[in-house]
Amino acid sequence: DAGITQSPRHKVTETGTPVTLRCHQTENHRYMYWYRQDPGHGLRLIHYSYGVKDTDKGEVSDGYSVSRSKTEDFLLTLESATSSQTSVYFCAIMSSPEATGELFFGEGSRLTVL
Amino acid sequence: GDSVTQMEGPVTLSEEAFLTINCTYTATGYPSLFWYVQYPGEGLQLLLKATKADDKGSNKGFEATYRKETTSFHLEKGSVQVSDSAVYFCALRDRGSTLGRLYFGRGTQLTVWP
Repeated sequence: DAGITQSPRHKVTETGTPVTLRCHQTENHRYMYWYRQDPGHGLRLIHYSYGVKDTDKGEVSDGYSVSRSKTEDFLLTLESATSSQTSVYFCAIMSSPEATGELFFGEGSRLTVL
Repeated sequence: GDSVTQMEGPVTLSEEAFLTINCTYTATGYPSLFWYVQYPGEGLQLLLKATKADDKGSNKGFEATYRKETTSFHLEKGSVQVSDSAVYFCALRDRGSTLGRLYFGRGTQLTVWP
């Protein structure tokens, strides 16, 4: 199994509070991704990273920011959480697109914004 | 842009029934195609993949053939088991992409009854 750890696994917070989700990998993979999963929408890409300090936006990036100061950690921050950000968040990693192109996923972080 | 459309669920079958989950894609380049599976409470994991036209991916009794002429990658299994109950996602990646981004369908929930 790919070494991906997400924390926290479950969080309940209130509207307007900041929230940070952490993704930690032990595979030394260059590419890391944050997705959210919602009923009827499948998985949607929030942000991704292709190296330390190299990040870019996905299709649903509004209200989210990310940081990657070291290869193994990719942080997703909700500066001021809203109820529409209640979701399950998945981190994924990939070694290189030129290789298999396979994504390895963490177990998810369930966030509830009241 | 690149996109994936898969059949709406949920799909409910009896054990040993034949399964087909349809997936079609739109891509500007020459995509690699994937099926991912998500078991309850877990992250997604790769089920099978195909990287060029007419390739057949297979794993755990599941098969899918990359059909360029119909832009399809339908998932099939001849005899489903209760343990196959999960959500199945079709996905594509443009092999020309250097960022490894995958585009996912909305997922199809499969429930198999004994």
